[in-house]
Amino acid sequence: DTAVSQTPKYLVTQMGNDKSIKCEQNLGHDTMYWYKQDSKKFLKIMFSYNNKELIINETVPNRFSPKSPDKAHLNLHINSLELGDSAVYFCASSQRHHGDTQYFGPGTRLTVL
Amino acid sequence: EDQVTQSPEALRLQEGESSSLNCSYTVSGLRGLFWYRQDPGKGPEFLFTLYSAGEEKEKERLKATLTKKESFLHITAPKPEDSATYLCAVQASGAGSYQLTFGKGTKLSVIP
Repeated sequence: DTAVSQTPKYLVTQMGNDKSIKCEQNLGHDTMYWYKQDSKKFLKIMFSYNNKELIINETVPNRFSPKSPDKAHLNLHINSLELGDSAVYFCASSQRHHGDTQYFGPGTRLTVL
Repeated sequence: EDQVTQSPEALRLQEGESSSLNCSYTVSGLRGLFWYRQDPGKGPEFLFTLYSAGEEKEKERLKATLTKKESFLHITAPKPEDSATYLCAVQASGAGSYQLTFGKGTKLSVIP
């Protein structure tokens, strides 16, 4: 069984479009995260949710909006896509937020044309 | 601001040639230091967590160590399947510090 899954794996779209990436974890974890990995392979936190409540909201454009319908799901919606949004987006989860290991999904490669 | 610096950026080893990867960090208070392995096109795969200076952990050919300023990932007699990018990350202590701050990684290539 896949612990942290994301859909889609690849997403190619035009500038200005709105798109969503879905994430699900079956580990029973309380906390979920979204990270962005840019072209230089640098991983950076975007958001963190603990028990459906937003904990971290790093400096990302407000075109990015996370939504957690329940503890097992954390989706990422992106409005008015720009070329600079092209990257690989990773979802992760951990049991709690303090000091616990984060387990990552396989990533979604977003390409904005 | 938390900072993680990994060196070297890339490392090429012959099969069986042992070496070490370095992770230097600056953090107000360390809650945990994490090592991950990332294969091309995949998500980071957890390897180790270290919580305090002097702690060591081992898994097969890998051994991670921690001091107050840096961590080392020692690779003993590596095999081609150990080729990957190894990522180091820190989590700071203190309220609100939940995220991992990652280094840029060391890309390891093990040549048969």
